[in-house]
Amino acid sequence: EAGVAQSPRYKIIEKRQSVAFWCNPISGHATLYWYQQILGQGPKLLIQFQNNGVVDDSQLPKDRFSAERLKGVDSTLKIQPAKLEDSAVYLCASSLGASRVGETQYFGPGTRLLVL
Amino acid sequence: ILNVEQSPQSLHVQEGDSTNFTCSFPSSNFYALHWYRWETAKSPEALFVMTLNGDEKKKGRISATLNTKEGYSYLYIKGSQPEDSATYLCAFNEGEAAGNKLTFGGGTRVLVKP
Repeated sequence: EAGVAQSPRYKIIEKRQSVAFWCNPISGHATLYWYQQILGQGPKLLIQFQNNGVVDDSQLPKDRFSAERLKGVDSTLKIQPAKLEDSAVYLCASSLGASRVGETQYFGPGTRLLVL
Repeated sequence: ILNVEQSPQSLHVQEGDSTNFTCSFPSSNFYALHWYRWETAKSPEALFVMTLNGDEKKKGRISATLNTKEGYSYLYIKGSQPEDSATYLCAFNEGEAAGNKLTFGGGTRVLVKP
């Protein structure tokens, strides 16, 4: 079974530039998550989709971050414009979405973003 | 905002030695606790999902225990090997009403020295 795919793996941009990340979840997984992991901290949930609807985006900085999952499969996360504090690893995860407590989330390898 | 803490932040272990570290979480409204292992440049890998007080789970040389009444979980590595070097993350599952949202601790970075 193929895992969660993410691209690019690494990205270096200057502040105020735009950047986009792509995620393809495990086939058949209804729920997709984007996390931000800043060095020295644990991953923080940015947004959660159930199929193509948003379940939770309470921690997404909506003035600069946006995400979409138009066909309920793959997803893109965009930052426009980027700030220095956006330097982090952006992780995508997916799960079956069967609403079972303790359901495992499967993670991709992440995109490491450096904003100069 | 939930408080999930892991200690220590990092530790060095000699190859062959055993070690353990802690995850503490809210003791009220417990649903599930997840453990992940994250090796550099790889995807975080699910180790355990723990749901019941007193749960003990084992995978090879790695095991975990759960105490939901006092709000902590221990992860043990027996006979550490260099391939065990990774960051170990615990995550508190906030339950179905919260969409099974995970709140992660800051991780324990383990370095096993040959």
